[in-house]
Amino acid sequence: DVKVTQSSRYLVKRTGEKVFLECVQDMDHENMFWYRQDPGLGLRLIYFSYDVKMKEKGDIPEGYSVSREKKERFSLILESASTNQTSMYLCASRQQGAVRGTQYFGPGTRLTVL
Amino acid sequence: GDSVTQMEGPVTLSEEAFLTINCTYTATGYPSLFWYVQYPGEGLQLLLKATKADDKGSNKGFEATYRKETTSFHLEKGSVQVSDSAVYFCALNRGETSYDKVIFGPGTSLSVIP
Repeated sequence: DVKVTQSSRYLVKRTGEKVFLECVQDMDHENMFWYRQDPGLGLRLIYFSYDVKMKEKGDIPEGYSVSREKKERFSLILESASTNQTSMYLCASRQQGAVRGTQYFGPGTRLTVL
Repeated sequence: GDSVTQMEGPVTLSEEAFLTINCTYTATGYPSLFWYVQYPGEGLQLLLKATKADDKGSNKGFEATYRKETTSFHLEKGSVQVSDSAVYFCALNRGETSYDKVIFGPGTSLSVIP
């Protein structure tokens, strides 16, 4: 059974803290994605990675960075957390070349920045 | 640019009622179309998809037909159950290159009451 896991289901941080969200997939997928989900806005793409050490900005990259040192792991970093980054963060992976294929999602991390 | 529009929610139905969630899209070319479902406290999972015009995707009693002439991909189910309570996302992917992003609609929340 395919699996995408995220390091935390719930996280509470303070303004200005550096925050790391971790995502691991066990499907040997090349492509990985970070989204944030907000009510009424659907899913918005923050960053994606097509392979190890590769990254591309999505629609809302400001205030975020990413790291992909190993194929199975994709990290989202909030350099200095702010209250407007309070949101649900979803990680997803997809097989390379399956451009019309399915994305597999993790359970999400609900981040609250106080 | 590409976009997906879904009917406003929340939708509340009685058990065994007929469900329709409307989805229309704007895109160039021939995108693939998807319905994802998010159960409470979980990430998104693929419900069904269609990759070309007139294709019908189906799964778990849900169906959607890719209608290019009306640029629509409406989700239907003949008899909903309480366990169908979830948020449903319509999505598209042009899938012409690996850099094409998946575009999600805002989601429609469905509550099914006994």
